[in-house]
Amino acid sequence: GENVEQHPSTLSVQEGDSAVIKCTYSDSASNYFPWYKQELGKGPQLIIDIRSNVGEKKDQRIAVTLNKTAKHFSLHITETQPEDSAVYFCAAVNNDMRFGAGTRLTVKP
Amino acid sequence: DGGITQSPKYLFRKEGQNVTLSCEQNLNHDAMYWYRQDPGQGLRLIYYSQIVNDFQKGDIAEGYSVSREKKESFPLTVTSAQKNPTAFYLCASTDFGTRGKLFFGSGTQLSVL
Repeated sequence: GENVEQHPSTLSVQEGDSAVIKCTYSDSASNYFPWYKQELGKGPQLIIDIRSNVGEKKDQRIAVTLNKTAKHFSLHITETQPEDSAVYFCAAVNNDMRFGAGTRLTVKP
Repeated sequence: DGGITQSPKYLFRKEGQNVTLSCEQNLNHDAMYWYRQDPGQGLRLIYYSQIVNDFQKGDIAEGYSVSREKKESFPLTVTSAQKNPTAFYLCASTDFGTRGKLFFGSGTQLSVL
């Protein structure tokens, strides 16, 4: 079955800097890669996603890139703000959905 | 205002007790899911249901039970057989056509007294 690894587990950046979170997956048949943001005490929310026929997708300050050959995808957040502080999860979807273990991002003002 | 509602927010279980976590959605979604979240870990699938009166075990179904008598509702029972139930429980839903685009509830924190 699918296995998703996510790095780093914690990430601390200064406000205004960029943050990058990376995930690798094992099932080459996975074709959909969503990213979720979870704020403290809340459920995760979908923030961006990418399909396997696309290499990059951008939405304002966040972007996701996908390298199908290497089987890895990344979340990029530019001009980070304190409200970006949260836990971020990647996931890979084929017939089922597997989540990474999460990255706790802290943006220091 | 469409959404997915979990209750209660906090729940305490005594030794040997069964407890039930509620999950209701008014998004008209076909599929519903229960995940368990432990500190510092990802989301692990307990049970899921793609249609009323049908459900399948996920990766960690032992000690849990579910029902899907109505499209809107997918309650989870944590039985006394679950020896380590303390965790944050998340319910989610999605349409068949948008699998992977999960809508999550706000979660229930279950603790053992």
